[in-house]
Amino acid sequence: GENVEQHPSTLSVQEGDSAVIKCTYSDSASNYFPWYKQELGKGPQLIIDIRSNVGEKKDQRIAVTLNKTAKHFSLHITETQPEDSAVYFCAASGGNSGGSNYKLTFGKGTLLTVNP
Amino acid sequence: GAGVSQSPRYKVTKRGQDVALRCDPISGHVSLYWYRQALGQGPEFLTYFNYEAQQDKSGLPNDRFSAERPEGSISTLTIQRTEQRDSAMYRCASSLAGFNTEAFFGQGTRLTVV
Repeated sequence: GENVEQHPSTLSVQEGDSAVIKCTYSDSASNYFPWYKQELGKGPQLIIDIRSNVGEKKDQRIAVTLNKTAKHFSLHITETQPEDSAVYFCAASGGNSGGSNYKLTFGKGTLLTVNP
Repeated sequence: GAGVSQSPRYKVTKRGQDVALRCDPISGHVSLYWYRQALGQGPEFLTYFNYEAQQDKSGLPNDRFSAERPEGSISTLTIQRTEQRDSAMYRCASSLAGFNTEAFFGQGTRLTVV
């Protein structure tokens, strides 16, 4: 089935700096790539997603890039703030492995800490 | 508006007991998913419903696990004869449709088997 690798597992930045989290996937047929933010005691919340027909998507301080050839996608957060501190998960779906386009395969997560 | 609601939030049970976890999806959401999340890991797919039909149960670990969604709304995940290795956070998610649309997650049920 699909395999999603996520790096780094932990990331610490100073307030105002940028943060980048990278993911790779194994199934070249995957076509939907969401990013989730999970705060302590809460469920994952979608913050941005990208589909395979675009290479980049931006929403205020958050952007995601996708390289289909290399099978990797990245989350970029600019001007980080302490409230950005959380665990971030990348995911992929829509591939041929397992025959589903609804099943999300998640990375293991990145604990982002933004220091004031 | 209300999000995905799961109950109970916490469940401690003795090994060998059966447990039932409930999920109330967002109103109007056709698709419903169950995931299991171990500490320090991302959610792992268990099963998927489209309306009341269980379309995929390939992620259920063994036949002690079952799920239903009889009226296409509320779903129940049942674990029979619980074992310690079943301890985890069980999350439910729902979406308008199954095909690459935003999945909204509930707060989860933390199951501890002692």
